Amino acid sequence: QKEVEQDPGPLSVPEGAIVSLNCTYSNSAFQYFMWYRQYSRKGPELLMYTYSSGNKEDGRFTAQVDKSSKYISLFIRDSQPSDSATYLCAMKGKTSYDKVIFGPGTSLSVIP
Amino acid sequence: ETGVTQTPRHLVMGMTNKKSLKCEQHLGHNAMYWYKQSAKKPLELMFVYSLEERVENNSVPSRFSPECPNSSHLFLHLHTLQPEDSALYLCASSQDLQGWTETQYFGPGTRLLVL
Repeated sequence: QKEVEQDPGPLSVPEGAIVSLNCTYSNSAFQYFMWYRQYSRKGPELLMYTYSSGNKEDGRFTAQVDKSSKYISLFIRDSQPSDSATYLCAMKGKTSYDKVIFGPGTSLSVIP
Repeated sequence: ETGVTQTPRHLVMGMTNKKSLKCEQHLGHNAMYWYKQSAKKPLELMFVYSLEERVENNSVPSRFSPECPNSSHLFLHLHTLQPEDSALYLCASSQDLQGWTETQYFGPGTRLLVL
């Protein structure tokens, strides 16, 4: 079983839709959870960062962590064409020796 | 120029060639990273440097050779590569290695094609 799994898509939605992006993981030691956005021909950029379980909201973006189910989500409200990108989840344990483990990414297209 | 820059942006090389990828960060960071990104696969961490000292070598074949002459520059020297090494090579930097939780800032990547 892969450490972090993510549906690669592509996911295509109309402008204004609510988008749900998800990752599952197998390592219960993961404590830090991140979402990166990667536009075509660019490197990933950090979107959101959460610790342990719960929700975190930033504008149109909400990150949700359910450690009991080993499942994390990123919700995008009122999606815009500019949100079209690949979204990578990433996570790590809490010790200083733990490495960041990335998911393979989900490709999202928001159609005007 | 700000952020993390990488050159070249695109590279085509034969299996017998020797080439180098260059990364430069203008953020005053102390840690730098090389990642490999292949289609439909997760980012693979290759090398980590902290204050110019290599702290991580993730079982990368010896045909990839990193060099970090100072905290602002990172190179990846390539020789006798294989077609399966074709990928996007990303450089990243962070303020410190501290718990690996430091936000990493990525460059745009070098798209490498090995023929």
